[in-house]
Amino acid sequence: EVQLVESGGGLVQPGGSLRLSCAASGFTFSNYWMTWVRQTPGKGLEWVANIKEDGGEKHYVDSVKGRFTISRDNAKNSLYLEMNSLRAEDTAVYYCARDLNYVDRGGNKDVFDIWGQGTKVAVSS
Amino acid sequence: AIQMTQSPSSLSASVGERVTVTCRASQDILNDLGWYQQKPGKAPKLLIYAASSLQGGVSSRFSGSGSGTDFTLTISRLQPEDFATYYCLQDYSYPRTFGQGTKVEIK
Repeated sequence: EVQLVESGGGLVQPGGSLRLSCAASGFTFSNYWMTWVRQTPGKGLEWVANIKEDGGEKHYVDSVKGRFTISRDNAKNSLYLEMNSLRAEDTAVYYCARDLNYVDRGGNKDVFDIWGQGTKVAVSS
Repeated sequence: AIQMTQSPSSLSASVGERVTVTCRASQDILNDLGWYQQKPGKAPKLLIYAASSLQGGVSSRFSGSGSGTDFTLTISRLQPEDFATYYCLQDYSYPRTFGQGTKVEIK
């Protein structure tokens, strides 16, 4: 069964750090881009970051640039999101998703076909 | 960043009705748009990609259309399991951006 399982969420103080993990199974992890998407309480979805199959290309939403780092370990079939200098507005459920990234008209296109169940991050004093 | 605006924000419909949700991009995104369904407490589910391509395993009740700046998700005959929130997502440029969502409720 194709599956993604997030972990690492929790309560952290403003300015603190947290590392989220996403364990993949049921597919060849190293063949896929991966992405993080978050959902703030009662609000909609926000794309956070994605990473190429070999980790050689990464993209971030502006609000997390310089604070969050996406990475992966293909030997462990795992995706990570290192979050530093956390702010109250980072409070959200964080989802990892498999990214069927493909090239069309010279640009990368993303299709998020498999999602984890999410892990909650709360930033509060 | 490209802004995605969905309308309506919510709608009420009856089982069997035809439902249309609209998504408008702040600039031309060609056909680089997907639609996702989310039920309460669950992760989003991919329905449509490249504006009109149906994801495998998704009911043919769902269809997508549009290009440029205006896009539509249509549910041909609403079923009880279709009551959910629907989001569009542009993958034309970074950062990827979602619409604010359209909640489809039971009438």
